[in-house]
Amino acid sequence: ETGVTQSPTHLIKTRGQQVTLRCSSQSGHNTVSWYQQALGQGPQFIFQYYREEENGRGNFPPRFSGLQFPNYSSELNVNALELDDSALYLCASSSDRVPEGYGYTFGSGTRLTVV
Amino acid sequence: KQEVTQIPAALSVPEGENLVLNCSFTDSAIYNLQWFRQDPGKGLTSLLLIQSSQREQTSGRLNASLDKSSGRSTLYIAASQPGDSATYLCAVKNGGYQKVTFGTGTKLQVIP
Repeated sequence: ETGVTQSPTHLIKTRGQQVTLRCSSQSGHNTVSWYQQALGQGPQFIFQYYREEENGRGNFPPRFSGLQFPNYSSELNVNALELDDSALYLCASSSDRVPEGYGYTFGSGTRLTVV
Repeated sequence: KQEVTQIPAALSVPEGENLVLNCSFTDSAIYNLQWFRQDPGKGLTSLLLIQSSQREQTSGRLNASLDKSSGRSTLYIAASQPGDSATYLCAVKNGGYQKVTFGTGTKLQVIP
């Protein structure tokens, strides 16, 4: 059984640029969620993808967007980067095949620094 | 809207002590509660998952309890070791889409 893989591990971008982060979900999981974690804070929910569609979104502007592919991998795209977007971005996969769910499996995250 | 609170925010104990971390949540209609460990700058490692129908789960020196009616969970760590030093996060899953709400964590330091 493979875990959740995120790439890249670290990234430095300039304000105003665009960035794409990638996530490969755990084998057998069909749902991917993205979280933003600022330094010293708990993870904040960005959005969730299920069957290639967004099915839930947190309090993030439209410049945060995503995709889920048929193999359940996912991308997080952020346009017009702002300094406050600097954070650890975490991807979590889960499965809806059990009514209560197995819980989340997280990747190691992508550390994004906007300068 | 679900809100999750963890107390204390930070904790420092000598090696060998038993300790309890607390997590409280406002909406008791949960599917499950999960405890995670996070080392500095790293991702989250799942420690224990408690389904809404369960009252506790154990793994090695860790024991997590869940009291849905009072909106509380505790993580008990027995015989703490310096390697236990990390931030511990609890996360609650509610119904609908599988959104999970995190607490802000308890930063634990175990002193040799």
